[in-house]
Amino acid sequence: DTEVTQTPKHLVMGMTNKKSLKCEQHMGHRAMYWYKQKAKKPPELMFVYSYEKLSINESVPSRFSPECPNSSLLNLHLHALQPEDSALYLCASSQIQRTGEALKNIQYFGAGTRLSVL
Amino acid sequence: GQQLNQSPQSMFIQEGEDVSMNCTSSSIFNTWLWYKQDPGEGPVLLIALYKAGELTSNGRLTAQFGITRKDSFLNISASIPSDVGIYFCAGPLETGNQFYFGTGTSLTVIP
Repeated sequence: DTEVTQTPKHLVMGMTNKKSLKCEQHMGHRAMYWYKQKAKKPPELMFVYSYEKLSINESVPSRFSPECPNSSLLNLHLHALQPEDSALYLCASSQIQRTGEALKNIQYFGAGTRLSVL
Repeated sequence: GQQLNQSPQSMFIQEGEDVSMNCTSSSIFNTWLWYKQDPGEGPVLLIALYKAGELTSNGRLTAQFGITRKDSFLNISASIPSDVGIYFCAGPLETGNQFYFGTGTSLTVIP
């Protein structure tokens, strides 16, 4: 099973709303990620959690607040967003495995949450 | 951040033709990943490459990890309409959990 599950699939919110995006994986991966993606562009890294601790924050505005309640779950809390924050938000997970001489580090993505801020 | 240069930026091909795209970096990667993304969906992993020089196939897809570990290519044989989408290369540096992405190749298959 290489599934990363994201909810909701679609979200429309006003600029004064508070909402949360949720992500879940049961692959035992200890690294989890949030990305923001605009149309036809590569994903832009927002946050990385490693062993449930925030290890990378790519200078993301404080209106985005990540949370990692346990090793399987990752949330992204949204508050006072701007219309330019409308995008596809992707969750991913990965785990480094050494097999003989090979170092395997594969990242799997969820289907994303399409966010529209009005 | 690391720059992965992916080419071509877009391709328009006839159904049944073969496709080739590549990805280069100035840094060494320990893993090269190729993803396909449909509009409004998350990237789906196609092929993962672990060893320099490694050639890996997955159905009509073939990918190779360059000897220098700074480049990779992806070939698609006998393209079909469902191959339409954006293809991204990606990989982590030798240490750490941060993944870097190419700029993407948009593929259009004309029936």
